[in-house]
Amino acid sequence: EVQLVESGGGLVKPGGSLRLSCAASGFTFSSYSMNWVRQAPGKGLEWVSSISSSSSYIYYADSVKGRFTISRDNAKNSLYLQMNSLRAEDTAVYYCAREVGSSGQSWFDPWGQGTLVTVSS
Amino acid sequence: QSVLTQPPSVSGAPGQRVTISCTGSSSNIGAGYDVHWYQQLPGTAPKLLIYGNSNRPSGVPDRFSGSKSGTSASLAITGLQAEDEADYYCQSYDSSLSGSIFGGGTKLTVL
Repeated sequence: EVQLVESGGGLVKPGGSLRLSCAASGFTFSSYSMNWVRQAPGKGLEWVSSISSSSSYIYYADSVKGRFTISRDNAKNSLYLQMNSLRAEDTAVYYCAREVGSSGQSWFDPWGQGTLVTVSS
Repeated sequence: QSVLTQPPSVSGAPGQRVTISCTGSSSNIGAGYDVHWYQQLPGTAPKLLIYGNSNRPSGVPDRFSGSKSGTSASLAITGLQAEDEADYYCQSYDSSLSGSIFGGGTKLTVL
């Protein structure tokens, strides 16, 4: 069974840092691009970042550029999101999602269950 | 404000047909990028519903269908059931943003 499990969420003060992890299983992790997507409480989905299978191509939403860093370890079947200089508006459930299809024509399947990040003093 | 525009809510009685629109622009849907749809049941993660404009993953009932024309796309649900009550999101790619984009989401209420 293809599965993604996020961890690392929690409560952090504004300006603080947090590192999210996503453990993948049931598929050849090193063959797929991976993404982070977030959802603020009661709001819609927002794409955050993507990383290609070999980490050669990395992209960020403007809202997190310069503060967040996506990375992966194919040997450990794991995806990461290092979040620095956190702001209240970063409060959200963060989902990792496998990217399927060709570049620019791809979709997300499956999604993990999400991990909640709360930025508050 | 989302790059892709969806109606905030739609509703229908059991057995009826509803459609959800997703309007983009020349840098995303209008540029030829595919549209994909997700269903998010209350308290759960999004689930792929339609990919590549009109394709259903295995296990998705044929009551769900998708289409795309010009700078817009639509999701149609026929034979509405109570279990269809959820939030629905469209997704595509935007060349000017160099990343994926989502619609603001549409809440479907089954009356």
